[in-house]
This record gives sequence, C-alpha cells and structure tokens, in this order.
Amino acid sequence: KAGVTQTPRYLIKTRGQQVTLSCSPISGHRSVSWYQQTPGQGLQFLFEYFSETQRNKGNFPGRFSGRQFSNSRSEMNVSTLELGDSALYLCASSPGGSGAYNEQFFGPGTRLTVL
Amino acid sequence: AQSVTQLDSQVPVFEEAPVELRCNYSSSVSVYLFWYVQYPNQGLQLLLKYLSGSTLVKGINGFEAEFNKSQTSFHLRKPSVHISDTAEYFCAVVPNTGNQFYFGTGTSLTVIP
Repeated sequence: KAGVTQTPRYLIKTRGQQVTLSCSPISGHRSVSWYQQTPGQGLQFLFEYFSETQRNKGNFPGRFSGRQFSNSRSEMNVSTLELGDSALYLCASSPGGSGAYNEQFFGPGTRLTVL
Repeated sequence: AQSVTQLDSQVPVFEEAPVELRCNYSSSVSVYLFWYVQYPNQGLQLLLKYLSGSTLVKGINGFEAEFNKSQTSFHLRKPSVHISDTAEYFCAVVPNTGNQFYFGTGTSLTVIP
C-alpha cells in the first residue's frame, strides 16, 4: 500500500497570503488528522476529519481551516499568514472507525516558510 | 486533560552505549502510550505502543519501553545505540475515551561515534 502523501513538500509564502496544503491518506483510511510542528512547541494538533466531517479540533485560531473530500483526501488552509505560521505541517491517516484506538500513519510533511 | 512531558530535550550518547529517553504523562483517564521516531525531513514512524497487557513493550530497531502506571511514565530504552539511531523521538498518549494524540515536545538523540 502506498503511504500518506503530502503536497507540496516545501512552500514559501509572504505575510498576509493564504496557503492550501494537501494530504492523501492511505487507501481505505477514512480519518485524517493535521499537526503543526515547530521547534519550540513540538507537535500540536490542529484538527481531525472523518468521513468529510470535522471530528476533533485543537486550539488554533480560525485562520486555520480544513476539509475532507469524499475520497478521504484532505486539505488544510491557512489565511492571512503570519511569521509564526512557519512550521512543518504533518498529516496522519488512520482507519478511523469507532472504538478508542486507531493507529496513525504520518506523511512526510509540508515545510511552510512565511517571509 | 492530557499532557506529555519529555524531560530531556537533547540526549548525546556514545555509539554502543545504552540510552534512556524519559517520558511522563498526565491524564484524568486511562491512556494508550506511543513512541515515534522522526528522521530528518521525514514524517513520524511508530517505534512501539502500549495498549494493554504486559507493561514491557518491545518495538522496532531494538527499542523497548516500560509502562509504569504509578509513576505515570513510559520511558524508552535501548541497550546499545547505533549511529543510525540519531533522530528526534516523540512520546505520545491517546485517551482511551477518544482518538486524539497528545505529543511531547520531543527528545533529540545524537549518537556520537
């Protein structure tokens, strides 16, 4: 099976712009989670989508949004970029069914640099 | 609420020496516990996990971890490290009431030749 893919791998934007990142989960996985990774904060949970619905949400401002399509692919959007948004954005997919535990498989990430 | 503390941000160790990376957590409910490894410019790879049963868990690449409920710890150990173990290591918990992961801030392991 192919793993989780994220595009693009690298992105440079300027303050005030917006950006869209894409994640394709493992075939058959219905849950996609997004994380922001920065050197000082580690990995912080952004949100999780399951069957096109946001199921969980972290403590990020409304500038961060996401969506999931019927084929389980997910996008996240950041509007009005700030310098502090520079980070590695990781996507993780899991089967996502009911029950307490679903192993997450991570993609390689998208490195966003805001100038 | 859940939180994860990795007590050491950087751990240098000589090749073939043993290593322990420490992880403590706080949670009001029972949790599942994980260790992930991240190599440069890559995503996270699962090293090992504790869901239930034996508190000593063995993972890939010779790593193991022990769950200590009374001390709320899940320390990662390897008896003899290799240069290729140089990477960032993350401890994570998932409450048994949900499926959201909570990660520590990571420990950078550097193996010195």
